[in-house]
Amino acid sequence: QVQLQESGPGLVKPSGTLSLTCAVSGGSISSSNWWSWVRQPPGKGLEWIGEIYHSGSTNYNPSLKSRVTISVDKSKNQFSLKLSSVTAADTAVYYCAREEKHSGSYDWGQGTLVTVSS
Amino acid sequence: DIQLTQSPSFLSASVGDRVTITCRASQGISSYLAWYQQKPGKAPKLLIYAASTLQSGVPSRFSGSGSGTEFTLTISSLQPEDFATYYCQQLNSYPLTFGQGTKLEIK
Repeated sequence: QVQLQESGPGLVKPSGTLSLTCAVSGGSISSSNWWSWVRQPPGKGLEWIGEIYHSGSTNYNPSLKSRVTISVDKSKNQFSLKLSSVTAADTAVYYCAREEKHSGSYDWGQGTLVTVSS
Repeated sequence: DIQLTQSPSFLSASVGDRVTITCRASQGISSYLAWYQQKPGKAPKLLIYAASTLQSGVPSRFSGSGSGTEFTLTISSLQPEDFATYYCQQLNSYPLTFGQGTKLEIK
């Protein structure tokens, strides 16, 4: 089973950039999977942010597309999320996950809370 | 975007009950639907993919059905560990979207 672990600052200032990394272990990021980010505001539902394939191909949620960048570092077996121009509405638990096309997200990180506040 | 509407949003039931949660899509999504279980403070857990295929290790009391625009998740006999929030997700087209969730509480 693949394990995923998110890391990054838990506090980001408004208008700043949220940066998170997801380290993958127990499997290769170059396998035939997509690697995704999902977020969940406190007390609310799940929102898909976007995904990346090891080739670098990406798909983003149009609601966030102008602010989101997902990248992959195959040498470190990890992928990353950057979300720019953050506001309080971006406060959420951010999850990374291993996704199989048309099937779903089979493995998830434990999630990391990012708070946007001055 | 494809909208997914789950019903009910809240469900109160007892151990041993049979419960059904419905997920309706705003347009056809074939069988590209997954169901997740989420407990407080934990990541979602994949229960069912391709609308009706049980993920490895998931108890057989969970089952899924449907295609097109209407899908159901059924728990045949509720166990104490099943009280959680359940989400459907469509994987037919981008952006991938989730239902708003169904919170299953103990009666």
